[in-house]
Amino acid sequence: AQSVSQHNHHVILSEAASLELGCNYSYGGTVNLFWYVQYPGQHLQLLLKYFSGDPLVKGIKGFEAEFIKSKFSFNLRKPSVQWSDTAEYFCAVNALSGGYNKLIFGAGTRLAVHP
Amino acid sequence: EAGVTQFPSHSVIEKGQTVTLRCDPISGHDNLYWYRRVMGKEIKFLLHFVKESKQDESGMPNNRFLAERTGGTYSTLKVQPAELEDSGVYFCASSLLGGHRNTEAFFGQGTRLTVV
Repeated sequence: AQSVSQHNHHVILSEAASLELGCNYSYGGTVNLFWYVQYPGQHLQLLLKYFSGDPLVKGIKGFEAEFIKSKFSFNLRKPSVQWSDTAEYFCAVNALSGGYNKLIFGAGTRLAVHP
Repeated sequence: EAGVTQFPSHSVIEKGQTVTLRCDPISGHDNLYWYRRVMGKEIKFLLHFVKESKQDESGMPNNRFLAERTGGTYSTLKVQPAELEDSGVYFCASSLLGGHRNTEAFFGQGTRLTVV
């Protein structure tokens, strides 16, 4: 069965620190990869996605993620975080075998950025 | 444009009672999904509608859960009777036809269900 693993459940950083959130998935076939974010009191929203092509994907708010197929990884990065990045981040995957109609999420990573 | 709307935002019910959650997707979105997050764990897929038809309900936990989407517009998710382990946040998402590959899924804010 497909699964998504996020390595850190809680991350605490100071403003301007660099961020990297790990995400690994287990599926050998063609996948699409996503990072979603949920800011406090708000709905889940898409940060970025990878379907094909350049494995380095740029998203909103200065986030980027790199797809490394050999490592089954899709880590999220940001060079310099801000207090407003405090949120919960979810990695997700869907697969061709599921008709791309089912997202498999990781358990989420809570990021707290201190001023 | 209105986003995906879910009602209620919070619900506290006693074990054995019935609760109905509602989701209003973005107008024109034929795909509608229900997901659930229990106790800070991963968000899990429950089911997928295309218009009024259930495309995939493989994630529904048991027959105490009933989802409907009459007329292909809003959807309801009924839990009857509710059990303690049903507590969690229930998310609804909608997208245009094409699934998650071709179109973005927009999520609602979720309904936090607490069964006591």
